[in-house]
Amino acid sequence: QQPVQSPQAVILREGEDAVINCSSSKALYSVHWYRQKHGEAPVFLMILLKGGEQKGHEKISASFNEKKQQSSLYLTASQLSYSGTYFCGTGRAGGFKTIFGAGTRLFVKA
Amino acid sequence: ETGVTQSPTHLIKTRGQQVTLRCSSQSGHNTVSWYQQALGQGPQFIFQYYREEENGRGNFPPRFSGLQFPNYSSELNVNALELDDSALYLCASSLTSGAYNEQFFGPGTRLTVL
Repeated sequence: QQPVQSPQAVILREGEDAVINCSSSKALYSVHWYRQKHGEAPVFLMILLKGGEQKGHEKISASFNEKKQQSSLYLTASQLSYSGTYFCGTGRAGGFKTIFGAGTRLFVKA
Repeated sequence: ETGVTQSPTHLIKTRGQQVTLRCSSQSGHNTVSWYQQALGQGPQFIFQYYREEENGRGNFPPRFSGLQFPNYSSELNVNALELDDSALYLCASSLTSGAYNEQFFGPGTRLTVL
C-alpha cells in the first residue's frame, strides 16, 4: 500500500525550514528518501532502518517513528537547489520492493 | 565507477506495438528494479531482478516482462502497448536485493504511445 506524503506542495523563501511527512498503514522496516528535479532521475538522499538512528545529510535530516509508521524529512535553511519533488519509499521486513509515495513538491524562491 | 545508464532516452510507439528498454546497472550491483512513473506521480514498482531471476513483481499485467543478463544489465519488454503505458520508465540498481538497500536510479526512458 502506497505511503501517504504531506504536504502535497510547499513554497519556501530561501533560508526557511520545511518538514515533509510520510506515513504508512503497514509495519515498516525501512524508509527511503529521494529528491527528483524536473526531467531528471530521483536522487538518493538517505535511508532509515527500523531500530536505526536519525540520519543527517548537511542541512537535510530525517527521523523514523517505528511505532507510528511515520517518517519526517527536515530541510533547514533551505537553498534554491533544494527545489524539486521529494519522494519517500517504504520497505517491509523480509521484503524486496520499495513502494513510493506520490511526492511532495518543494519550491524555494529567492 | 559508472552509474546506472538507460537507453533509449526517448521513444515513440503506436498502440499495439512492442518495445524493449535497456538498463545497465552500477558496477558491483546484482539487483535491478524497474519502475513506471506517470506524470506527476511517484515511481510505481513493476518488478525486480536479482542474479538473473525475477524476484517479485508489482501490480502490472504479464505483457510487462523482463530479463537480467549475466553482467546484471536488464531489459524491460512491453507487448501490445496501450495509451496508458505512456510514462517515464526508470530502472534502479542496488548492491543486492532487500528493502534495506539504497537504490540508484538511471535517467529513465520517456515512452510515448500514440
